[in-house]
Amino acid sequence: ETGVTQTPRHLVMGMTNKKSLKCEQHLGHNAMYWYKQSAKKPLELMFVYNFKEQTENNSVPSRFSPECPNSSHLFLHLHTLQPEDSALYLCASSQDIQGRYSNQPQHFGDGTRLSIL
Amino acid sequence: KQEVTQIPAALSVPEGENLVLNCSFTDSAIYNLQWFRQDPGKGLTSLLLIQSSQREQTSGRLNASLDKSSGRSTLYIAASQPGDSATYLCAVKQGGSEKLVFGKGTKLTVNP
Repeated sequence: ETGVTQTPRHLVMGMTNKKSLKCEQHLGHNAMYWYKQSAKKPLELMFVYNFKEQTENNSVPSRFSPECPNSSHLFLHLHTLQPEDSALYLCASSQDIQGRYSNQPQHFGDGTRLSIL
Repeated sequence: KQEVTQIPAALSVPEGENLVLNCSFTDSAIYNLQWFRQDPGKGLTSLLLIQSSQREQTSGRLNASLDKSSGRSTLYIAASQPGDSATYLCAVKQGGSEKLVFGKGTKLTVNP
């Protein structure tokens, strides 16, 4: 039980499709993150949310649209993706990003393996 | 721009051996450094977090050291076991940002 659950685990979609990735954390955390892990490349941060507010966007293309309706749920809406967007998308959470919590580790889900045809 | 390098990219050792994984970073102005483990098809598991003011952290058979001035960290694994086989990732956090900058990882195989 990782405490961070991602669905679906695998997703295959065409470039014209619209789909969403879901992340849910059961740890009582207030900060949530989306990461992209491509083959042969380091893990890259995409977005950070703290108390439902987006605090960082790491120059992510607009075809990726995050949504954080509450501190426990995070979505990544996908539309008109490109083949190079095929990757493992990881969600993470942490206690908070401020003050004494800023040194807390991030807890990761098992990811969604996305393949773009 | 911060860059994190992990050497070696892959390592294969016999069971019981003590081993060291290396991580280096180009900008020493870090907030903390974390070591993670990733099993195939899985997410990341946080192993150790070292704050910038600390020099080492220990958890069981794992010991991580940090030399911020030289931009280096090591992860020492004692008495390795087949269950330690995984990819080990090093990541640094800069001040003023929540961004973790990751290395590409070291894939460890411990042979029975």
